[in-house]
Amino acid sequence: DAGVTQSPTHLIKTRGQQVTLRCSPKSGHDTVSWYQQALGQGPQFIFQYYEEEERQRGNFPDRFSGHQFPNYSSELNVNALLLGDSALYLCASGSRGSGANVLTFGAGSRLTVL
Amino acid sequence: EDQVTQSPEALRLQEGESSSLNCSYTVSGLRGLFWYRQDPGKGPEFLFTLYSAGEEKEKERLKATLTKKESFLHITAPKPEDSATYLCAVQASGAAGNKLTFGGGTRVLVKP
Repeated sequence: DAGVTQSPTHLIKTRGQQVTLRCSPKSGHDTVSWYQQALGQGPQFIFQYYEEEERQRGNFPDRFSGHQFPNYSSELNVNALLLGDSALYLCASGSRGSGANVLTFGAGSRLTVL
Repeated sequence: EDQVTQSPEALRLQEGESSSLNCSYTVSGLRGLFWYRQDPGKGPEFLFTLYSAGEEKEKERLKATLTKKESFLHITAPKPEDSATYLCAVQASGAAGNKLTFGGGTRVLVKP
């Protein structure tokens, strides 16, 4: 059973450019969340999607946007890249439900902005 | 606003030297507290979920406990393969979705 898959694994961009990261959730999961993890820090919540809509959002500017497709896969878009956007971007999938539910993380996409 | 603080930031242990990691949290209502392990260059790997004060869970050399304000991850007789960053996170009740609020992590290095 494939877990969460992310692409690309590494990429290098320059300031001002735009980037799109992709995520396929674990089989059976219907929610996708994105996290930003700077070097040496814990992951920070960006936003969550389910039923193809953004449902929760963390403290990130509008330059960060996303999309969820009917097959539950998701994209994260970042416009007008800044040096501070350099980080590991993690995708996590889960299931909706009333109880606490475990999120499964992908290996991440390492973004370097020069 | 939910907050999670982990201590220490880093921990160096000799193989077999037991120790504990601390996770202090404030949350409006706790749906669950999670422990994850993260190896360099990889995504977090799930270890435990704790739901209420007094609960304990064990897996091999790891044991997680929970009080109303903090959680501890005890590592008993660690081996070099236990070297990793251990992340604590909370999930709040009453909010739509399953957002996790993470602490900064504790980097554990176990020397043979």
